[in-house]
Amino acid sequence: EAQVTQNPRYLITVTGKKLTVTCSQNMNHEYMSWYRQDPGLGLRQIYYSMNVEVTDKGDVPEGYKVSRKEKRNFPLILESPSPNQTSLYFCASSSDREVIETQYFGPGTRLLVL
Amino acid sequence: LAKTTQPISMDSYEGQEVNITCSHNNIATNDYITWYQQFPSQGPRFIIQGYKTKVTNEVASLFIPADRKSSTLSLPRVSLSDTAVYYCLVGDKPPGTYKYIFGTGTRLKVLA
Repeated sequence: EAQVTQNPRYLITVTGKKLTVTCSQNMNHEYMSWYRQDPGLGLRQIYYSMNVEVTDKGDVPEGYKVSRKEKRNFPLILESPSPNQTSLYFCASSSDREVIETQYFGPGTRLLVL
Repeated sequence: LAKTTQPISMDSYEGQEVNITCSHNNIATNDYITWYQQFPSQGPRFIIQGYKTKVTNEVASLFIPADRKSSTLSLPRVSLSDTAVYYCLVGDKPPGTYKYIFGTGTRLKVLA
């Protein structure tokens, strides 16, 4: 089954404790992206990657890092989480080889930073 | 970057046609217009995509005027299960970039 998976789905942590949220897709997509979703603000892009070793900033990259060492994986790293990073995070992937370029979203990771 | 503006919320009754309009005044020549649907605690799901004129699939229609500064998602005969948030997305991707901007979405509530 074609899908985007994220782990963990739920995470409670404390300020300053480094964490990584993993994202994996099995569709051989070139493009992957991370979004955060907050009430009243919709979906905002954090980082995106156009292929292995190619990443770039989205609208809200501050406080986040990403890496793309393999095509299927795109982890989101919070080196020193702060309470304002409490949010719902979504990973997405897509391919420009498709006639209609749609993004496939993961199930989301709900993060609470105390 | 092309920004979108949508109504914050809409209410409708079952069986009615719902039209949600999105404004995107700064749309670029290469941009496509894509609509997503999101249920609570789930990731957005693709509904429809278009470049100009009209596109129809099994779930919706998308109307795009000639100037492309707006678009209208049309959902025929909605049911309770269509209650969701609908996002209009303009793909801002000059060659080599994939930077997308979602709006705040339109919260559609379908009433019995």
